[in-house]
Amino acid sequence: EPEVTQTPSHQVTQMGQEVILRCVPISNHLYFYWYRQILGQKVEFLVSFYNNEISEKSEIFDDQFSVERPDGSNFTLKIRSTKLEDSAMYFCASSEGGGRSPLHFGNGTRLTVT
Amino acid sequence: DAKTTQPTSMDCAEGRAANLPCNHSTISGNEYVYWYRQIHSQGPQYIIHGLKNNETNEMASLIITEDRKSSTLILPHATLRDTAVYYCIVMDNAGNMLTFGGGTRLMVKP
Repeated sequence: EPEVTQTPSHQVTQMGQEVILRCVPISNHLYFYWYRQILGQKVEFLVSFYNNEISEKSEIFDDQFSVERPDGSNFTLKIRSTKLEDSAMYFCASSEGGGRSPLHFGNGTRLTVT
Repeated sequence: DAKTTQPTSMDCAEGRAANLPCNHSTISGNEYVYWYRQIHSQGPQYIIHGLKNNETNEMASLIITEDRKSSTLILPHATLRDTAVYYCIVMDNAGNMLTFGGGTRLMVKP
């Protein structure tokens, strides 16, 4: 069964550094998402992306964050200058269509900012 | 604002049916009920969704009350691998964003 893959599984970085989290969505999917989960807390929506542009974003997704689909297969989340509070699991997801198409999630990248 | 209410935790014996309730009393006519689960340290996994009819797939059944104000997810023969946090989410068919609440932590015990 096709799946969403995320790399790396664990990323450690120093405060103020830039990080790029990578995702390969399921190949025929058109909608892409990033969510995050701080340890012990709820899964939170960050951003959705369709047709090469952001379709929705939350207030967490500020100017420090950006997303890109640099080629036909990858979907990336960049954090420009990481803060301690960015430490979390970051989940990528994709769906065939918007609306009621189920989201398929990857197993996440654990980002630790020191 | 939370659109759904779920018990914080539940236990179930292995091999028995797990019935997970969800209240969504403010659901509107175009909103679907979705269920996802999250096994420890993994990404959320889609289980099932429905509008007003009961639904069944290879993982579970979804029973939605006639007034649509509540629903129950049924895992017919729970296994230890079904231990997870189960999330009930309502979203309309134009929606693009899942809002996760706290979910129900289901513990399947031998």
